[in-house]
Amino acid sequence: QVQLQESGPGLVKPSETLSLTCSVSGGYNNDYYWSWIRQPPGKGLEWIGYIYYSGSTNYNPSLKSRVTMSVDTSKNQFSLKLSSVTVADTAVYYCARGAARFDPWGQGTLVTVSS
Amino acid sequence: EIVLTQSPGTLSLSPGERATLSCRASQSVSSSYLAWYQQKPGQAPRLLIYGASSRATGIPDRFSGSGSGTDFTLTISRVEPEDFAVYYCQQYGSSPRTFGQGTKVEIK
Repeated sequence: QVQLQESGPGLVKPSETLSLTCSVSGGYNNDYYWSWIRQPPGKGLEWIGYIYYSGSTNYNPSLKSRVTMSVDTSKNQFSLKLSSVTVADTAVYYCARGAARFDPWGQGTLVTVSS
Repeated sequence: EIVLTQSPGTLSLSPGERATLSCRASQSVSSSYLAWYQQKPGQAPRLLIYGASSRATGIPDRFSGSGSGTDFTLTISRVEPEDFAVYYCQQYGSSPRTFGQGTKVEIK
């Protein structure tokens, strides 16, 4: 079955750009949308946005000015960039399949914003 | 943006009891595009219910969802030890997708 795995730096400095990649195994195809969702420590879930294999995207307006998503179909990967980060962007970042409901999810990766 | 409010914040139950979790939307969720997720400590959320009442693959039938419009409910008919977790509702009828703040089901 489909499995997702996030990767990227666990520590990012304030004002810099957070970059994460999600690798999909066991069933990537071009019929799906792929999303990013985050969860600050001890808090709830926030949808960041989704991307289709064609490259079309839909971002949460609250983050839209700082978010860029991309997809590399040859590598079965999709990526997230979040610019100008602050401590408020410290969170576990999840990738997931879907643009509406999300299933399955990656295990998540903690990104800490700190100098 | 649709705001989802879950209640109660915490539900204290003994194994075998019935759990009733509520999710109220600030405006109608179109086509009952509402999902429920279960999250255990240190784990990613897992999809339980979609379309307000359809169980996801592999989800036991003690989990059921109901509701429409602005009021939705997740019911666990008899809580098992592995069901103690945090539960989130999420709407996908409009963008941005939004989640409730969660209900924690804890052992009494």
